[in-house]
Amino acid sequence: DADVTQTPRNRITKTGKRIMLECSQTKGHDRMYWYRQDPGLGLRLIYYSFDVKDINKGEISDGYSVSRQAQAKFSLSLESAIPNQTALYFCATSDFSNNYGYTFGSGTRLTVV
Amino acid sequence: KNEVEQSPQNLTAQEGEFITINCSYSVGISALHWLQQHPGGGIVSLFMLSSGKKKHGRLIATINIQEKHSSLHITASHPRDSAVYICAVRSGSARQLTFGSGTQLTVLP
Repeated sequence: DADVTQTPRNRITKTGKRIMLECSQTKGHDRMYWYRQDPGLGLRLIYYSFDVKDINKGEISDGYSVSRQAQAKFSLSLESAIPNQTALYFCATSDFSNNYGYTFGSGTRLTVV
Repeated sequence: KNEVEQSPQNLTAQEGEFITINCSYSVGISALHWLQQHPGGGIVSLFMLSSGKKKHGRLIATINIQEKHSSLHITASHPRDSAVYICAVRSGSARQLTFGSGTQLTVLP
């Protein structure tokens, strides 16, 4: 199994629908992140969490929410999806003991029509 | 805000060539990461460095803190090296990374 698992891998949804992207990890890392990637742009941070009780907004959090259900699980929700949220979404983890080395999931390709 | 610039944006090379990808950033950092993204989309961490030089197989990463510049070198390039290479930095007080927009490398057989 992958160290960081994202589900689903691909999703097409309609405008206005609520959708949840899930991320689970077996690394034992305390820090988890959600990024989105758009063509020609760098990865941009949506939300991050340094432990179960620590949730922080990133640079593009509007329209998104997150839940850290356990150390190993970090979910991203789009409350009411819109077409400009069409993007590739990545979950990542890092660990202070590894001097902040990052491990990424395989990505979720989301299309909002 | 720390800006991260990569060059070139696109690079095409013949198999066997020596490749250099550059990354410049605007403020002091505590660490710089090089990542590789394959056509399928998955991202792999190649290096994390805060000074000097690191080597892993045919890949070499260097950083010059004074010049705020890092390079990723690939020796004896191979078509399987074709990917997007991404530079990311973490400044001292930041709790997250700032990413460059990536360099698309294509190695032709």
